[in-house]
Amino acid sequence: KQEVTQIPAALSVPEGENLVLNCSFTDSAIYNLQWFRQDPGKGLTSLLLIQSSQREQTSGRLNASLDKSSGRSTLYIAASQPGDSATYLCAVRHYTNAGNMLTFGGGTRLMVKP
Amino acid sequence: ETGVTQSPTHLIKTRGQQVTLRCSSQSGHNTVSWYQQALGQGPQFIFQYYREEENGRGNFPPRFSGLQFPNYSSELNVNALELDDSALYLCASSLDSPLEDEQFFGPGTRLTVL
Repeated sequence: KQEVTQIPAALSVPEGENLVLNCSFTDSAIYNLQWFRQDPGKGLTSLLLIQSSQREQTSGRLNASLDKSSGRSTLYIAASQPGDSATYLCAVRHYTNAGNMLTFGGGTRLMVKP
Repeated sequence: ETGVTQSPTHLIKTRGQQVTLRCSSQSGHNTVSWYQQALGQGPQFIFQYYREEENGRGNFPPRFSGLQFPNYSSELNVNALELDDSALYLCASSLDSPLEDEQFFGPGTRLTVL
């Protein structure tokens, strides 16, 4: 059974810091990994999608890496801003006998203080 | 803005009632998935439809059912509501390749069961 874990569960940093969010998964047989942002009470905004054959993706101040063999992904946020405060979720797409699905981690709640 | 809309935004029901939640995907997105997100947790996969056929289901009882229509709209129906069904319900759509394509999420429907 695929399990996704995110560490830390919560993080508070001063504005301007570079930070790393971690995601680990137990089964390396994945199709892709996606990082999302979720503001309180809102839906999910896709940040980055990494296919299983890729090692990293970049978008602006965000960089996500994928090491499929070790079951790990990191999301690097450069020069953090108060507007980055949100919950960050990683999810892996994989196939099970129930079909293909996204399995999510529990998220990291990020607070960037001015 | 993902182009995925959901209605209603909020809903309050009582235990034992039935509810229908609606989702409208982007034009051309033939795959739609539904997720349940309890407070403080990551989303859990309910089921997925591809071209109007269910092609994947998570660990949810049969009282959770769905429909997908040719006009890129879909429904999630829940019968015999229980208190634990209180959650944010999210739909996500993607293009024709359900294994590799980026998932675009709607804003969600907040269901409260009293």
